Amino acid sequence: GQQVMQIPQYQHVQEGEDFTTYCNSSTTLSNIQWYKQRPGGHPVFLIQLVKSGEVKKQKRLTFQFGEAKKNSSLHITATQTTDVGTYFCAGLKGGSEKLVFGKGTKLTVNP
Amino acid sequence: DAGVIQSPRHEVTEMGQEVTLRCKPISGHNSLFWYRQTMMRGLELLIYFNNNVPIDDSGMPEDRFSAKMPNASFSTLKIQPSEPRDSAVYFCASSLGQGIGLSNQPQHFGDGTRLSIL
Repeated sequence: GQQVMQIPQYQHVQEGEDFTTYCNSSTTLSNIQWYKQRPGGHPVFLIQLVKSGEVKKQKRLTFQFGEAKKNSSLHITATQTTDVGTYFCAGLKGGSEKLVFGKGTKLTVNP
Repeated sequence: DAGVIQSPRHEVTEMGQEVTLRCKPISGHNSLFWYRQTMMRGLELLIYFNNNVPIDDSGMPEDRFSAKMPNASFSTLKIQPSEPRDSAVYFCASSLGQGIGLSNQPQHFGDGTRLSIL
């Protein structure tokens, strides 16, 4: 079945350092969504990417969708303690109707 | 606006007991999803409904699990009998689906039910 692999599983950074998480699918995706889950909280939608090669920015967060629509990345510039949490990508395969979530990257930030 | 509402927030019960989790989706959303989250397996989709009709229940682990959506504003996930390996956080999410491609819409998650089976 469709799998969405996400790396790294954990990332610890010093406040002010950059952070990147990567998402790879075994099949071509029609779109990809990113979610953030704070410790003890629930996943919260961040953004959706649909087009091949698409790049979107939200303040210090930059999201990319690969040209082949099989991979995606989330980059955070100059991390802050408020960025702590687990970041999930979720892919939708063309012809399918359900999102498949990666296992997430847990980010911790040392102040 | 109220978000997705789940109850109970926490449930501790002994194995063999029946467990019922409840969810009220966001008003106007016509797609509802049940997920299970564990450290080992991450976030797994159990079942989803569109316009109150179950569309895909391939993620339901066993016959012990069942889900219903009797109307647009209420859904239940039932485990009978419960087992310790069912311990997890169960999330309900809703979205404004529109048939094929409904997963193009963002999903809004509830706060989850933390279930512990002793």
